[in-house]
Parts: sequence; C-alpha cells; structure tokens
Amino acid sequence: ETGVTQSPTHLIKTRGQQVTLRCSSQSGHNTVSWYQQALGQGPQFIFQYYREEENGRGNFPPRFSGLQFPNYSSELNVNALELDDSALYLCASSFGQGAEQYFGPGTRLTVT
Amino acid sequence: AQTVTQSQPEMSVQEAETVTLSCTYDTSENNYYLFWYKQPPSRQMILVIRQEAYKQQNATENRFSVNFQKAAKSFSLKISDSQLGDTAMYFCAFAGSARQLTFGSGTQLTVLP
Repeated sequence: ETGVTQSPTHLIKTRGQQVTLRCSSQSGHNTVSWYQQALGQGPQFIFQYYREEENGRGNFPPRFSGLQFPNYSSELNVNALELDDSALYLCASSFGQGAEQYFGPGTRLTVT
Repeated sequence: AQTVTQSQPEMSVQEAETVTLSCTYDTSENNYYLFWYKQPPSRQMILVIRQEAYKQQNATENRFSVNFQKAAKSFSLKISDSQLGDTAMYFCAFAGSARQLTFGSGTQLTVLP
C-alpha cells in the first residue's frame, strides 16, 4: 500500500509569484484535503476535494485554488504569494466521506 | 464553528513513565470524531488514535489510550511506558459532519532518558 506523497519537499518563492504543490493520495483513497501549518501552530484547513469536486473550503482567499485529477491526485495553487504564505503545506487523503485522514510529509514553502 | 483547545504547550516525562495530554473541544454536533496526531521533527503527521463520539468505550492502541468525556467535551491522551521515540508535538483534532479536521495548537512532549 502506497502512502501519501507530496512534491516538492522544499520551495523558495518571491512575493507576488505563483506556486503549485502536488499530492498523490494513498492507494484506494478518493478524497484529498489540504492544510496550512504556520510555524508553531496547528494545521488550518484550506479545502477538500472529493471525486474531482471541491467539497468544503476553509477561511482562505480565492488566490488559493486546487484541482483533483481522475487518479485522485491533487494540486494546490497559490497566486500572488505573500510573506504570510510561508508555511508547511500538508496534504491528507481519506476514503469517501471518512473522517480518518492520512497525511503526507508536507511541502515547506518559504516566501521572500 | 468547532474549536479545539490544548492548554499544555509543553510537557515532559521520564522514560517508562505515564503521561496524560489534555484536550477540550466545543461543538454543537452530536456525531463526530476525535483524533490524536503525532508530529515528530520529521514533520510527518501520524495518526495515533481515533474515537467515535457515539462509542462510550474509550479507544486504546497499544500504549496509547484516551479518556473521552462527551458531556464535558474532554478528550485526553494517556501514553503508558513512555519511550524516547514518543518525543513529538501532539495535536488533538476534531472532525464533524463536514469531515474537515480542526486542530488544537499542540503539546510538545519530551521524553527524558
């Protein structure tokens, strides 16, 4: 059984740029959720995708957008990067509407 | 909206001893799930234990057990026979009907040799 994978591991971007983060869900899982974890804080829910449709969104602006592909992998896109977007971005997968989510290793984004 | 509160930012315990981490939550939902996740320095968030709100019996996974008090909205984690590998940040999390996780601020646990 393959776990959740994320790429890249680390990323450095400049304020105003755009970034795309990628996630492959655990085999058999069709739901992907994205979380932002600022340094020293708990993760904050960004949005969730189920069967290629957005299925819930947290308190994040529209410049945070996502996609889910037919193989259930997912992308998180952030436009017009701000310094406060510097964080660890975590992807989690689950099956259907199950509450139990399994996390990937995260992508550390630094905005300078 | 749900909230999850962890009032212990840091805790330490001697190896082989027992430690309890506290968590309280607030929700108007009746059916929900509660979780404890562990995040070591490697950053990987690892599921430790889960509890369904409709189950009265407290969940147990090897050395990890919970004390779930639904009326008090309390969900503590007990780690028995603490090991050095248990050193990590521990997060309490809630999932209601929306199936999105709401996390507490975390408790940094250090196991001392």
